[in-house]
Amino acid sequence: AQSVTQLGSHVSVSEGALVLLRCNYSSSVPPYLFWYVQYPNQGLQLLLKYTTGATLVKGINGFEAEFKKSETSFHLTKPSAHMSDAAEYFCAADSSASKIIFGSGTRLSIRP
Amino acid sequence: EPEVTQTPSHQVTQMGQEVILRCVPISNHLYFYWYRQILGQKVEFLVSFYNNEISEKSEIFDDQFSVERPDGSNFTLKIRSTKLEDSAMYFCASSLLARGLIFGPGTRLTVL
Repeated sequence: AQSVTQLGSHVSVSEGALVLLRCNYSSSVPPYLFWYVQYPNQGLQLLLKYTTGATLVKGINGFEAEFKKSETSFHLTKPSAHMSDAAEYFCAADSSASKIIFGSGTRLSIRP
Repeated sequence: EPEVTQTPSHQVTQMGQEVILRCVPISNHLYFYWYRQILGQKVEFLVSFYNNEISEKSEIFDDQFSVERPDGSNFTLKIRSTKLEDSAMYFCASSLLARGLIFGPGTRLTVL
């Protein structure tokens, strides 16, 4: 069965520091992979997605993620954190046409 | 930019009552989904819908749940007899090619 694991339920970084949110998937078939962001009391917004082709994908708000098949990972990074990046981030995977499944989420806090 | 809309934004109901949550997916999308998020927990898949029928459902989606696309634009989730544990955010999503879901803002369901 497919699963998505996010290491670290809470990550705290200083403003201007590198953001690294980790995501690993398990699937017998390389899935399509996504990162969603959820701001407080709001819905889920697609940050970026990997389907095929280039393994480094760029998303909105300066975020990017790299698909590494050998490591079954899809970690999310941003070179310099901004206060407005504080939110919950969900990694998700889709290896069938019927659904995507989510990791448990990582809450990102930004210290001034 | 096209968006998925959901109504109401907040629904309060008594235990045992029926509720209908409504969604208007993006007009040219073909796949429709319901997810839920219990407060502070992960986003859980409920059901996917394609070509006027359920394509996949989770173990959460038991006989008290049903979905319908009554008029070609609305997509509804009905909970027949609500329980306290049904209190959650319910997210509708749609996609064109079942890759990269676009989520609505959610309906907060509170069962008293």
